Amino acid sequence: AQSVAQPEDQVNVAEGNPLTVKCTYSVSGNPYLFWYVQYPNRGLQFLLKYITGDNLVKGSYGFEAEFNKSQTSFHLKKPSALVSDSALYFCAVRGNQAGTALIFGKGTTLSVSS
Amino acid sequence: KAGVTQTPRYLIKTRGQQVTLSCSPISGHRSVSWYQQTPGQGLQFLFEYFSETQRNKGNFPGRFSGRQFSNSRSEMNVSTLELGDSALYLCASSGGQDFSEAFFGQGTRLTVV
Repeated sequence: AQSVAQPEDQVNVAEGNPLTVKCTYSVSGNPYLFWYVQYPNRGLQFLLKYITGDNLVKGSYGFEAEFNKSQTSFHLKKPSALVSDSALYFCAVRGNQAGTALIFGKGTTLSVSS
Repeated sequence: KAGVTQTPRYLIKTRGQQVTLSCSPISGHRSVSWYQQTPGQGLQFLFEYFSETQRNKGNFPGRFSGRQFSNSRSEMNVSTLELGDSALYLCASSGGQDFSEAFFGQGTRLTVV
């Protein structure tokens, strides 16, 4: 069975500092991995995805993620955090067939202080 | 390009009633998925439709049903509402290919009283 773990409920970082939001996954076969962000009372916004190829994936708003097959991880990173990055972040995995469901982690609340 | 549109944004219903939620996908997208988001269970997959056919279904009771129309718009119906059905219901559309990412609407907040 596929699963996603986000080990931290909350990550606190000062503005201007680098941030990392952790994600590990368990899936058979080659995974499709995604990061989404959710602001209060809003839907999910797509940040980036890993399908194949380069292990470092660049996405929206300066975010990037590193795929590590041996550690089954897909951590979200940003070199310099902004207060406006404060939100709820979800890692998700799905199988590589169209129509399969996204399996989400529990989410990590990122809080960036000024 | 317009995003995914969900209507209504907010609903209050009484136990035992039924409700229909609507989702208009991004133009050209033929796949629509529905998810339920609650504080306790997080985000859970309900079902996915592609070209008017249900391709995949999550582990929800039969009270939850959906359909997709020829213009790719989708509706989700919940019958005999229970208090536990209170949640944010999110619709997502995608191009439908293996590698496609899903784009989400703002959701419908359903409160059952």
